[in-house]
Amino acid sequence: GAGVSQSPSNKVTEKGKDVELRCDPISGHTALYWYRQSLGQGLEFLIYFQGNSAPDKSGLPSDRFSAERTGGSVSTLTIQRTQQEDSAVYLCASSYGTSNTGELFFGEGSRLTVL
Amino acid sequence: GEDVEQSLFLSVREGDSSVINCTYTDSSSTYLYWYKQEPGAGLQLLTYIFSNMDMKQDQRLTVLLNKKDKHLSLRIADTQTGDSAIYFCAEIPPGTYKYIFGTGTRLKVLA
Repeated sequence: GAGVSQSPSNKVTEKGKDVELRCDPISGHTALYWYRQSLGQGLEFLIYFQGNSAPDKSGLPSDRFSAERTGGSVSTLTIQRTQQEDSAVYLCASSYGTSNTGELFFGEGSRLTVL
Repeated sequence: GEDVEQSLFLSVREGDSSVINCTYTDSSSTYLYWYKQEPGAGLQLLTYIFSNMDMKQDQRLTVLLNKKDKHLSLRIADTQTGDSAIYFCAEIPPGTYKYIFGTGTRLKVLA
């Protein structure tokens, strides 16, 4: 596909369950980001992958959150033992990583609702 | 401060100009960005400005940068109903690839 693809687009889960959110970046983009967008809040940085380098996990809010990027392409964000405060839209973005303009290309997001 | 600050809401009439303001955190940031988020969609780059510029114009959009005050603004001329969206400013402090986004300004255009 031409753009960043995220799935599922909507996920409703019960408190305490685990969820996995998937991101398929634009082919050839070496950088991949996860952000969280909560109602009335800005975009909160979660994690950043660049090529084969160790990811920057400094934005993950707790050890219930983890992310992987397999083969330098698809990424999965996993939230274990979900809590109601995890409800948000999770946005994935990719970029060339070394582009002069630094443009990020965003997916449409995965809306997570924890009951 | 640590946060990129924006006012949360702006309402204008169709045909008027809109001005969205942003105060960013790091005066060394090389590029500053404006992203637009339409309902139910991800963010899309609208325009950007390099830090050695004071102003950039792109059709109906004018970006003004005041580095001394770390203030960035986006002016939309002849605002249309299709401009209704959330507008985010963003910066990348030097030495990092971590974009810092503002809280977003929700622009509502009244017909």
